[in-house]
Amino acid sequence: DTEVTQTPKHLVMGMTNKKSLKCEQHMGHRAMYWYKQKAKKPPELMFVYSYEKLSINESVPSRFSPECPNSSLLNLHLHALQPEDSALYLCASSQLAGELFFGEGSRLTVL
Amino acid sequence: AQSVTQPDIHITVSEGASLELRCNYSYGATPYLFWYVQSPGQGLQLLLKYFSGDTLVQGIKGFEAEFKRSQSSFNLRKPSVHWSDAAEYFCAVGASYNTDKLIFGTGTRLQVFP
Repeated sequence: DTEVTQTPKHLVMGMTNKKSLKCEQHMGHRAMYWYKQKAKKPPELMFVYSYEKLSINESVPSRFSPECPNSSLLNLHLHALQPEDSALYLCASSQLAGELFFGEGSRLTVL
Repeated sequence: AQSVTQPDIHITVSEGASLELRCNYSYGATPYLFWYVQSPGQGLQLLLKYFSGDTLVQGIKGFEAEFKRSQSSFNLRKPSVHWSDAAEYFCAVGASYNTDKLIFGTGTRLQVFP
């Protein structure tokens, strides 16, 4: 199984809602990532978990809260988002340096 | 600081023609270099990588890239493009001490005409 699965594929939420994005991989990879991608832009790194510990936080606003319950799962909890947070959120995993396996993404719209 | 430049925002080629996508990097030491491809509505897929050794690297889908230290470049090539190659291509650089943090270029959109 070489897939990274992200749910939901699409999410619409209001600015006062609380929602979560989920990511799962069964490749035994040591690291999992959250990226944010706006239209026609490259992915921007948000968070990295390595061996289930948060290793990189790219100064992301606290309205985004990552969680790594175990080595196969990665969540991104969303609360009080702004319309400018609307984007494609990509999850990735890796075992070897720089070799990322990406999911298809969760497209988030904040109204 | 590391940086990646992809000078071409948009390239159009005919099916069967050859392709070269440019990538220039800035990094003090030997970088780890990658090319990723993103089809519309999809995540990114790794095409190939360079860490060290042979400067011509082969990847998936018939792509290759050549690392030229003197030009700080890592250009992606394909001898004959297929319509299914139409996508966004991202060059990325990682520090040898922490490749968990990749820096992506701005991307080149490839359009293929029949």
